[in-house]
Amino acid sequence: SQQGEEDPQALSIQEGENATMNCSYKTSINNLQWYRQNSGRGLVHLILIRSNEREKHSGRLRVTLDTSKKSSSLLITASRAADTASYFCADGDNYGQNFVFGPGTRLSVLP
Amino acid sequence: DSGVTQTPKHLITATGQRVTLRCSPRSGDLSVYWYQQSLDQGLQFLIQYYNGEERAKGNILERFSAQQFPDLHSELNLSSLELGDSALYFCASSVGATNEQFFGPGTRLTVL
Repeated sequence: SQQGEEDPQALSIQEGENATMNCSYKTSINNLQWYRQNSGRGLVHLILIRSNEREKHSGRLRVTLDTSKKSSSLLITASRAADTASYFCADGDNYGQNFVFGPGTRLSVLP
Repeated sequence: DSGVTQTPKHLITATGQRVTLRCSPRSGDLSVYWYQQSLDQGLQFLIQYYNGEERAKGNILERFSAQQFPDLHSELNLSSLELGDSALYFCASSVGATNEQFFGPGTRLTVL
């Protein structure tokens, strides 16, 4: 069954701007993961944030986690055309289940 | 290269047929996942295995079945194929049951 979803479903920004996308989930989690997918390719893991963490950074990526609201956000700063892709989240829950859910956010970065 | 291999890369078959997709996880990974991605349905989680046991089930049709073998490779069997089953099928693996997943390149299935 679906665990939640990402929003917005589509986002279009100019190169250099920041992009923020959100993920809501339904169960209690052990961690939350973000993935990127370029068209027709397999998903690539970007970053994992554990349930006891509130914020995590990796290069131009910043992820926050609010377990009280069961939500996470992914911020991409100073976006580039190469960031154009779909972004998905997955939650590793406390029952040992872990899967990517939701329609993803389709990000277009315009030059 | 994620280290996850999937065969075949492409598969063209007819309605009513049965096919088997194969996935070899990264060395040491115990968990395997299957996903279906089509243009109209988006990315759909099908099933997760952990060390040979089913761990989570998603939108997997009764015509579809999967298993994970003792050597940890996995197969996804699709039977009584319909036109709507045409899609990219991804396999992913992870070390544990809730760690980050590594995705294979996918098998593109076309049902004519």
